[in-house]
Amino acid sequence: QVQLAQSGAEVKKPGASVKVSCKASGYTFTGYYIHWVRQAPGQGLEWVGWINPDSGGTNYAQKFQGWVTMTRDASISTVYMQLSSLKPDDTAVYYCARDRTEYSASWHYDYWGRGTLVTVSS
Amino acid sequence: QSALTQPASVSGSPGQSITISCTGTSSDIGTYNHVSWYQQHPGKAPKLILYDVSDRPSGVSNRFSGSKSGNTASLTISGLQADDEAAYYCSSCTSSLTRWVFGGGTELTVL
Repeated sequence: QVQLAQSGAEVKKPGASVKVSCKASGYTFTGYYIHWVRQAPGQGLEWVGWINPDSGGTNYAQKFQGWVTMTRDASISTVYMQLSSLKPDDTAVYYCARDRTEYSASWHYDYWGRGTLVTVSS
Repeated sequence: QSALTQPASVSGSPGQSITISCTGTSSDIGTYNHVSWYQQHPGKAPKLILYDVSDRPSGVSNRFSGSKSGNTASLTISGLQADDEAAYYCSSCTSSLTRWVFGGGTELTVL
């Protein structure tokens, strides 16, 4: 079955960077885009960007351009999201989610990871 | 402030039907049919329940239905059940540089 296993919770100081991983299993890794969506405590959902695991191509929401980097290691079916220059406002649960459409981005997410809580505090 | 506007809360009794609206603009819902809806129970990841306005993924109950008129999309849940109590989020493609936007979410209470 399709599974997205995310790395554990992180606590970072303002100005630091964080790298969250998302390991895929149960399907062809290179066939489906992976999106990252975040949710601040008690708040709604916010799209961060996507990565094409086949080509490594990325597409970031304008708000995150310049300080988010998404990469992948196809040999271990894992994608990564790195956020730099963290601020307390970046405290959120970060989810990876699989696009439901093969080989393209539909922005509809059919499988989600359990989320990774990133806390930014001095 | 979210790009798509949803009511903060709705409620209904078991067996009843409820509708949740999601209002956008001509830059998103008004132009594109790439509207999706997610259900999120507390402490859980969201679950896709509708995509492309009214299509249901495999395994999602036909009690969930969707529609769109102008700049507003709607989610209707019929035959309310206790397990439907959750937060519901709409989302849409947008022609702005944001590319994809979510609504602020609606808390559904089953009385």
